[in-house]
Amino acid sequence: DAKTTQPTSMDCAEGRAANLPCNHSTISGNEYVYWYRQIHSQGPQYIIHGLKNNETNEMASLIITEDRKSSTLILPHATLRDTAVYYCIVSLLGSNYQLIWGAGTKLIIKP
Amino acid sequence: DAGVIQSPRHEVTEMGQEVTLRCKPISGHDYLFWYRQTMMRGLELLIYFNNNVPIDDSGMPEDRFSAKMPNASFSTLKIQPSEPRDSAVYFCASSFPPTLGELFFGEGSRLTVL
Repeated sequence: DAKTTQPTSMDCAEGRAANLPCNHSTISGNEYVYWYRQIHSQGPQYIIHGLKNNETNEMASLIITEDRKSSTLILPHATLRDTAVYYCIVSLLGSNYQLIWGAGTKLIIKP
Repeated sequence: DAGVIQSPRHEVTEMGQEVTLRCKPISGHDYLFWYRQTMMRGLELLIYFNNNVPIDDSGMPEDRFSAKMPNASFSTLKIQPSEPRDSAVYFCASSFPPTLGELFFGEGSRLTVL
């Protein structure tokens, strides 16, 4: 069973920041939080991952709460091309074969 | 790099026929994964290889499914005989140990079994 809980769908206006929440209340101390996205008819695409510190790369920022029970993926300036299903996954680094994919959040960017 | 390359992109076949899906991982990646995606079950791991050796095939649905990796640059997933319930999108992904947090997926092979 997936160990994360995400909203089924979200909307965001183009040009605004998209904030996607994820609950992972049973995360263990050595499990990482991963985010992937899947644009329609394409393969999943890695976005970012983190353990306890906030992380940022060219695609997004990942904010993990201090108790690590939840996190937020932030797309700072959403574009129409960011419309996709976003998956939040928890897993041990080095064991990515254990990635358990839930249903994800369908993010729709509106003009 | 061209990324993970899968073929065919689309396959339509009749029940009972043999289906072979192909994957070329990113050069230098030691891990190769086969996933299946359906509306009902989402993304499921079927099998994965490390250095061309199958490590875990517990996700393979049944004996009709088989996967091979004869060398570091090629893998196949075969279904024989195919059934309508095998209709799905099959993804291949690869990764390199130092950054195991990141899987690189191909564009997928959409299989329809009539």
